[in-house]
Amino acid sequence: DTAVSQTPKYLVTQMGNDKSIKCEQNLGHDTMYWYKQDSKKFLKIMFSYNNKELIINETVPNRFSPKSPDKAHLNLHINSLELGDSAVYFCASSPFGGPNTEAFFGQGTRLTVV
Amino acid sequence: QQQVKQSPQSLIVQKGGISIINCAYENTAFDYFPWYQQFPGKGPALLIAIRPDVSEKKEGRFTISFNKSAKQFSLHIMDSQPGDSATYFCAASKVTGNQFYFGTGTSLTVIP
Repeated sequence: DTAVSQTPKYLVTQMGNDKSIKCEQNLGHDTMYWYKQDSKKFLKIMFSYNNKELIINETVPNRFSPKSPDKAHLNLHINSLELGDSAVYFCASSPFGGPNTEAFFGQGTRLTVV
Repeated sequence: QQQVKQSPQSLIVQKGGISIINCAYENTAFDYFPWYQQFPGKGPALLIAIRPDVSEKKEGRFTISFNKSAKQFSLHIMDSQPGDSATYFCAASKVTGNQFYFGTGTSLTVIP
C-alpha cells in the first residue's frame, strides 16, 4: 500500500485555469505538508497542517489554497495558474512531536502551465 | 534566508570511491538532521538521520558525521555504486517543529 499518494502525477494546463492536486496518507500521521520543487530541484515548504489546522503558510500567492477535510487528506487548489507555477509539487506527512520525525513523500505532481 | 546550506551542488565519483556531501546550519534549536535521497521522477525518501547527541551514525555504506560545535554535518557514501546516482538533500528540523528545512541538493553521479 502506498503510504502517501497524490494525484495526478502529471498535470498540463493552460494559463488562467484552476486546478487541484489531491493527497492522501495512510500512515496515521498528524502533520502534512506541501512542498514545491523548482527546476533547480530546490525543495521549498509551502504549507504545513497539523490535525487539519494550518500551521505554516510560507510566502505563497493566495492563488494557492490548501484544504484539509480530515487528518489523512491535504489537497492543494490553485487558481488562475501562471507560467511560473510550473514545478513539481510534493505532498508529505510526518508524525508530530514523536521520537521519529521522518517525513514520507508522495511521488510528486509535475505541473506544467502552458 | 537559507536555513541549511549544502555543498557541492554536483559531484562525480568513480565506482568504489567515497562520496562526501556537506551541510551547515545556523539555528541551534534544530535537533534532527536527516538525509534524503531522490531518484528522477520520485519523491525524496529518508536515507539516514542523526540527532545531535551523537557524532556519527552508520548504516551500511552510509555514514553521517555530525559536528555540533561547528554546526555542520556530512554524508559519506563508502564504496559508491552507480545505483547511488541520485540527488541528495540534507535537512534539519526540530522534533517538535512543523517543517523540515532542506539544503539545496547535491546531484551525485557514480561512473562505472
